Amino acid sequence: DIQMTQSPSSLSASVGDRVTITCRASQGISNFLAWFQQKPGKAPTFLIYAASSLQSGVPSKFSGSGSGTDFTLTISSLQPEDFAIYYCQQYYSYPLTFGGGTKVEIK
Amino acid sequence: EVQVVESGGGLVQPGGSLRLSCAASGFTFSSYWMHWVRQAPGKGLVWVSRIDSDGSSASYADSVKGRFTISRDNAKNTLYLQMNSLRGEDTAVYYCARVMGQGSGWYFPIDYWGQGTLVTVSS
Repeated sequence: DIQMTQSPSSLSASVGDRVTITCRASQGISNFLAWFQQKPGKAPTFLIYAASSLQSGVPSKFSGSGSGTDFTLTISSLQPEDFAIYYCQQYYSYPLTFGGGTKVEIK
Repeated sequence: EVQVVESGGGLVQPGGSLRLSCAASGFTFSSYWMHWVRQAPGKGLVWVSRIDSDGSSASYADSVKGRFTISRDNAKNTLYLQMNSLRGEDTAVYYCARVMGQGSGWYFPIDYWGQGTLVTVSS
């Protein structure tokens, strides 16, 4: 199975900050990586696919990069609605696997 | 509007069975692969199973293989998860999710998620 490791597991940031979350795969996954946002008590929502392609309707403040084993999600200017847990997920091979999540909290 | 709505969750005793359903609307259900993903209380997301568009092929996480069965009824636009021999560690919110892109789901991400249904396994 491919292990997905996210860092940090949590972070505190202020409104307007630029935030970067890292996701590392235990083996190469090309660019078959997605990012999701989850707010408390809600289902995840789809942000980015193919490591860097923004899903339709997702604000451009979100961006993704990387290929192979190392990936990043960046939020350019954090807004109150962005405080949530973010998950990466590889869809290169089964079983599909998710990172452990990064909780973005208000400083 | 794409919608997937799960139902069938509840409290079940260890060793018991439950069948989850997921009603799909707003898209051509028969053209899309579908997944079940679960999330234990306070924990992260874990993939459970997937099925291809015509129901001819499925995959399972090792933790549920032999106990859970995924299926679909394309005439009813409904996905199912039959869960047998349930254990305490199966307690979770179960999400139904659609794969992005019609046809083959290989190398396509999940794009839409239902709101989830809670399964609690406890005596």
